[in-house]
Amino acid sequence: AQSVTQLGSHVSVSEGALVLLRCNYSSSVPPYLFWYVQYPNQGLQLLLKYTTGATLVKGINGFEAEFKKSETSFHLTKPSAHMSDAAEYFCAVSRLGGYALNFGKGTSLLVTP
Amino acid sequence: DAMVIQNPRYQVTQFGKPVTLSCSQTLNHNVMYWYQQKSSQAPKLLFHYYDKDFNNEADTPDNFQSRRPNTSFCFLDIRSPGLGDAAMYLCATSTRGRGPNTEAFFGQGTRLTVV
Repeated sequence: AQSVTQLGSHVSVSEGALVLLRCNYSSSVPPYLFWYVQYPNQGLQLLLKYTTGATLVKGINGFEAEFKKSETSFHLTKPSAHMSDAAEYFCAVSRLGGYALNFGKGTSLLVTP
Repeated sequence: DAMVIQNPRYQVTQFGKPVTLSCSQTLNHNVMYWYQQKSSQAPKLLFHYYDKDFNNEADTPDNFQSRRPNTSFCFLDIRSPGLGDAAMYLCATSTRGRGPNTEAFFGQGTRLTVV
């Protein structure tokens, strides 16, 4: 089954510091991977997605992620954190043979002044 | 703007009293999903429709049902809500046929409280 594991349920960074949120996937076939962000009491918003081709994917709000097959990883990064980046981040993978998503457990990002 | 709209945003219901959550979309997507998200947990798929074809997850309780009368609307019915059903319910849509890398678009969610 397609699944993702997010390492670290809570990550805290200082404003201006590098953001790194980790996601590893398990898949028997090339996966389709996504990162979503969720602000308090809101729905999920797509940050970026990986399709075949370029392994470095750029998303909204300055985020990017790199697909590394050798490491089965799809980590999310942002060079400089803003206070507004504080939110819950979910990594997700498309199900095999379907279009629903399997989500990781999420990582809560805290940005401190 | 094309979007996914969920009503109401907040719903309080009594233990055992049936409740219906609604979702509408202007994206004309053929797939609609219902996810349940409990506090500090990942969204969990309850079921989805591909057009009118209903697909229930194996572990979705019988207490949860859904209706999709047309492309634009989808409803989640909870027949006898228990305290454990308190959660955020997320509706999402996507377009099947463009490949599994097609993203899902989410509504703002309905937060259900059971008293």
